[in-house]
Amino acid sequence: GENVEQHPSTLSVQEGDSAVIKCTYSDSASNYFPWYKQELGKRPQLIIDIRSNVGEKKDQRIAVTLNKTAKHFSLHITETQPEDSAVYFCAASIGYGQNFVFGPGTRLSVLP
Amino acid sequence: SAVISQKPSRDICQRGTSLTIQCQVDSQVTMMFWYRQQPGQSLTLIATANQGSEATYESGFVIDKFPISRPNLTFSTLTVSNMSPEDSSIYLCSVEGSLGPYNEQFFGPGTRLTVL
Repeated sequence: GENVEQHPSTLSVQEGDSAVIKCTYSDSASNYFPWYKQELGKRPQLIIDIRSNVGEKKDQRIAVTLNKTAKHFSLHITETQPEDSAVYFCAASIGYGQNFVFGPGTRLSVLP
Repeated sequence: SAVISQKPSRDICQRGTSLTIQCQVDSQVTMMFWYRQQPGQSLTLIATANQGSEATYESGFVIDKFPISRPNLTFSTLTVSNMSPEDSSIYLCSVEGSLGPYNEQFFGPGTRLTVL
């Protein structure tokens, strides 16, 4: 079955700097890769996703890149702000009706 | 995206008892998923609940421990049976938000369960 790894497990950056979180997956059939942000005590919220037919997607300060050949994808947050502090989870899925396999998470701390 | 509610939001239960968690969605959805998130950990899928058929359980989870109902396209329940302290977790339902071929999933607010 699918296995998703995520690095780093914790990340501290200064406010205004960039943060990068990387994930790898094992199942070449996976075609959908979402990223979730979970603040303390809250539900995971979808912040961006990428599908297998594109290599990069950007939404304001957040971008995701996908390398299907290498089976890895990354989340990039630019101009970080204290409210970006949260746990971020990547996930992989082989398509509609199928479950997600989540990475172990990255705890991001943005220091003022 | 769908509006998802869960009841109860939290509960403290005694060892050996059972708790039923409800998940309600404001629109009809085909697939509903139940996840467990242990403290400080990632999300682990318990089972997939498809209306009109038996739930499909992941490795390590069995129907006798986590029976699931899916009576219609907007509602599902998960029961945690014969609880032990190891069952203390957050339990979340999620639904798919699109008709495919890709499947955004949206989560309910979760049920925080503490077993004494």
